[in-house]
Amino acid sequence: GQNIDQPTEMTATEGAIVQINCTYQTSGFNGLFWYQQHAGEAPTFLSYNVLDGLEEKGRFSSFLSRSKGYSYLLLKELQMKDSASYLCAVSPRMDSSYKLIFGSGTRLLVRP
Amino acid sequence: EAGVTQFPSHSVIEKGQTVTLRCDPISGHDNLYWYRRVMGKEIKFLLHFVKESKQDESGMPNNRFLAERTGGTYSTLKVQPAELEDSGVYFCASSQSSRVLTEAFFGQGTRLTVV
Repeated sequence: GQNIDQPTEMTATEGAIVQINCTYQTSGFNGLFWYQQHAGEAPTFLSYNVLDGLEEKGRFSSFLSRSKGYSYLLLKELQMKDSASYLCAVSPRMDSSYKLIFGSGTRLLVRP
Repeated sequence: EAGVTQFPSHSVIEKGQTVTLRCDPISGHDNLYWYRRVMGKEIKFLLHFVKESKQDESGMPNNRFLAERTGGTYSTLKVQPAELEDSGVYFCASSQSSRVLTEAFFGQGTRLTVV
């Protein structure tokens, strides 16, 4: 079966660092995505990993270990506006890469 | 440039009624996707259009759902008749390439409530 797990909720303090984990078990692997979604808004693309290692993009970084079926999203210097849901999604097949398999999302609350 | 827009943003209908959701993709995007998130669960793929053709509708839950994309521009998703379990948020996304999903953009979704 296809399964993606991520924590339901996390809380962190403004200015701090938070790591959101995602583990996956899928029939294939063609890349892992992280999306940010504010309530009532569209999911927006944050990062994409297809090879092992760390991808850094400003305050956000994403890590992938294919052998462990594991990824994390690292948010540094947290701001209040980072309060949102963070969705982990896997593209299992190259020939149908749009058939993303999503986790249920992690709601992050950033407190002053 | 306008993003992916969906209409309506919210819809409340009674069980047995019909609802039509609309998605306007980003201009020039041949690929259009529908996803949905039923209450408490994860977002799931429904179908994929390339221009006006249904490329993959393997995620459509049953024949009460009908998607169209006449002329290869906007798309509609009709639910007829609606059932309680159809409640959720329906997302549309579009991209130029179906292989480069890092360039796919989502709409804000239509929240459908069937009562």
